Amino acid sequence: GAVVSQHPSRVICKSGTSVKIECRSLDFQATTMFWYRQFPKKSLMLMATSNEGSKATYEQGVEKDKFLINHASLTLSTLTVTSAHPEDSSFYICSAIPGQGGTEAFFGQGTRLTVV
Amino acid sequence: QKEVEQDPGPLSVPEGAIVSLNCTYSNSAFQYFMWYRQYSRKGPELLMYTYSSGNKEDGRFTAQVDKSSKYISLFIRDSQPSDSATYLCAMSAGGKLIFGQGTELSVKP
Repeated sequence: GAVVSQHPSRVICKSGTSVKIECRSLDFQATTMFWYRQFPKKSLMLMATSNEGSKATYEQGVEKDKFLINHASLTLSTLTVTSAHPEDSSFYICSAIPGQGGTEAFFGQGTRLTVV
Repeated sequence: QKEVEQDPGPLSVPEGAIVSLNCTYSNSAFQYFMWYRQYSRKGPELLMYTYSSGNKEDGRFTAQVDKSSKYISLFIRDSQPSDSATYLCAMSAGGKLIFGQGTELSVKP
């Protein structure tokens, strides 16, 4: 299957700082990427849909000013957690769908964020 | 009512058993159905992808979709300890995926 690379896999940051997470599609172009958040023993919660060249679409209840998403190219989307707080600690996962109109989503390895 | 319901388990079976994992859904617009496997602290890995009602087989895995009952299943034959993971069903009408809660499976040697 298609490969999605997410970096970093783990990050620890101080409260009040910002953290950037990268999501790259390695062997395909993705006009759409998705960002999820997952709490322990819980399912994936969709945060936002990232569209190349346009603004991201955020799900209800997700603060767009806190979770900045940039999809600058067909192979890269970034999620920046701004002014992180301990409650932002979570597992963040991106996914990408190859091509346009595709339906099979492939996931990155996830990023474990710990805010201290 | 959640759009996708999945029993979180945990489910524990002996090695070699047949495992049955299930999800129900309420949105009749869902057309695409997927099963993902997620190991602890890793991203989900796509296992099976189906579009229509019926069965799809891939090695020891069989995915079954019954659109009339809004019910999907994943069967694992000859289960192995390496199959121990959380299994998530997911579905979409094209576009974003809606996930079940995930079923935690443990296969004991």
